[in-house]
Amino acid sequence: QLQLQESGPGLVRPSETLSVTCIVSGDSIGSATYYWDWIRQPPGKGLEWIGHMSGTGVSSYNPSLKSRVTISVDTNRFSLRMTSMTAADTAVYYCARSRVAPSGDRVMLDPWGQGTLVTVSS
Amino acid sequence: QTVVTQEPSLTVSPGGTVTLTCACSTGAVTSGSYPNWLQQKPGQTPRALIYSTNNKHSWTPARFSGSLLGGKAGLTLSGVQPEDEAEYYCLLHCGGAWVFGGGTKLTVL
Repeated sequence: QLQLQESGPGLVRPSETLSVTCIVSGDSIGSATYYWDWIRQPPGKGLEWIGHMSGTGVSSYNPSLKSRVTISVDTNRFSLRMTSMTAADTAVYYCARSRVAPSGDRVMLDPWGQGTLVTVSS
Repeated sequence: QTVVTQEPSLTVSPGGTVTLTCACSTGAVTSGSYPNWLQQKPGQTPRALIYSTNNKHSWTPARFSGSLLGGKAGLTLSGVQPEDEAEYYCLLHCGGAWVFGGGTKLTVL
């Protein structure tokens, strides 16, 4: 059974770069039909899709964040890097997997990691 | 910037039926928007309910159904239970990227 586990710094200073990693266990990360997603949720607010990368390196990003975000995929983990952090980036950061079913259906965001809270403050 | 719009809040009586909708600012929602619906209860991680318009996950109760309604995606709950009180998010591929709606807070009262 696929399990995802985020790890992050907890606290980031304004203008610094955030790095968060998601450890993948229970399935292969390298499939072309799997996409490894990052989502965030500011406290008390809604969900925001950040971006994803396939197991073979095809990526897509939220246009509003694209200039600041890089997602990378490794053997059994994938990572999010976000530059120029501000207080508005304070949120719980989640990782999740999406996939393209044989039918072509898009099965999005299942399962999820438990999330890691990142606070941007000096 | 693409915006996906949901009703901010809805109230339904136990046993009743309610439909939540999801619209994309760039145009009509179609099957090619691959509408997905997720449920989030307070203090919990979101959980996927419906994928690609109307497909249920194995854990999705039969009372949940997805559809396309007049250019929007819809999520219908029939025979609402108290445990269905939650925030519901739609996720669409529109404007060239995946975009969440702002969420609908469903109150069962």
